[in-house]
Order: sequence, then structure tokens, then C-alpha cells
Amino acid sequence: QSALTQPPSASGTPGQRVTISCSGSSSNVGSNTVSWYQHLPGTAPKLLIYSDNQRPSGVPDRFSGSRSGTSASLAISGLQSEDEADYYCAAWDDSLNGWVFGGGTKLTVL
Amino acid sequence: EVQLVQSGPEVKKPGESLKISCRGFGYSFSSNWIGWVRQMPGKGLEWMGLIYAGNSETRNSPPFQSQVTMSVDRSISTAYLQWGSLKASDSAIYYCARHLRDSSRRFDLWGQGTLVTVSS
Repeated sequence: QSALTQPPSASGTPGQRVTISCSGSSSNVGSNTVSWYQHLPGTAPKLLIYSDNQRPSGVPDRFSGSRSGTSASLAISGLQSEDEADYYCAAWDDSLNGWVFGGGTKLTVL
Repeated sequence: EVQLVQSGPEVKKPGESLKISCRGFGYSFSSNWIGWVRQMPGKGLEWMGLIYAGNSETRNSPPFQSQVTMSVDRSISTAYLQWGSLKASDSAIYYCARHLRDSSRRFDLWGQGTLVTVSS
């Protein structure tokens, strides 16, 4: 069981907006920033969002993130077929003194 | 080009030892932390540990504390993950990633992954 809770799946049609939630606790999401990773099987995971809502260079502004209390979310607007992937949230955990990941959400573009 | 390049796939038998590598290119390897992340078949990402390439200081995830050893060779900008006695349950893809901790913590650069298969 992962320390951060994500829905196992999400879906949307091209052009739609989808959100993926990430629920944690006071020792991780409640006190540290959240990062999001996009992972296509067989490839290297890619940093999508860091510091809750910052995009690395090259990540389209269709991707956005937010955090409130012990929850965070990733929003993808203008959904495209190439967005079909697994998405993971992650945060530093002060009790563990290490990282915790969510279980991952498989996004399907219908 | 800034990248992390991992060693190739491995097929081992239970009880054998293994050392996989992760080499950094295009950045100051010794000034950064490297993290290791496991993905078991059909499962999600699991954090295994961190190692600071500058002085080999480590942070270990408790489930992996006694299972693996992390090390670095600064002279060749390479981090290693090592097993002394593999088990079938060690079969997984292992990723290394550069861990930044300036304004916020994140894994900003990932290796391509090393597939480890342990089978008799």
C-alpha cells in the first residue's frame, strides 16, 4: 500500500480536462511540496510538475498542479492521445526522512 | 547532453550477486544526489534510497535498508546499486534519477532503467 493515494485509473476524450488526485498525510503532502511524473511503460519517467505547480522547461502549460492541506492534484487540459500514460505523485516525508510515491494513475484517452 | 545512462538488462539466478550502474553526463555529478527507484512488474514506483555523489552519504528506505548497497565512483561519474544475494522478488526495473533539493525536492533527470530478471 502506497503512502500517497491516487485513483488507479482516469480517462477522458481528446480536448477534455482531467484531474488526478493525490492524498497524503501531514508528514508528507501536508508539509512538503509535491512533484508529478509521467511514465510511459518502457521509457524513463519524466518530471512533469515540481514544487506543487511549477513546470520544467519543455512541459506544455496544459499540465498544471496544485496542493491544499494534505492533498494535491494534477490537471491536464486539452487532452491529447499522447498524454496516455501512468502518472505518479511524490513528496518528501519528514517522518520517513525519504520519498513516498503514489500508487500511480493510468490515464486512458478514449 | 545532460543525461543518466544505466547499464543493460541482467538475467541472474537466485543467490547470485549483481551490481548495476548509472553514469551521469553533462553536469556536475559530484555536486548532486542520485536516487534509486524500483518498479516491480505491473506495479508502481517505489523509492529505494538516495546517495550524495560528493561524499557517498546515503539515505535508505527501510524496506531496502538491508537488501541493497548504494555506492558511487566519482572519478567516472557513476552510481551503483548492488545486491549480495538476489531473490526472485528482486526482479524489477530499477531507475536512477538525479535528485535536486534547491527550492524544492524533485527527481528532474531519469535514467532509462535497468531490467533485472532473477530466475532459476
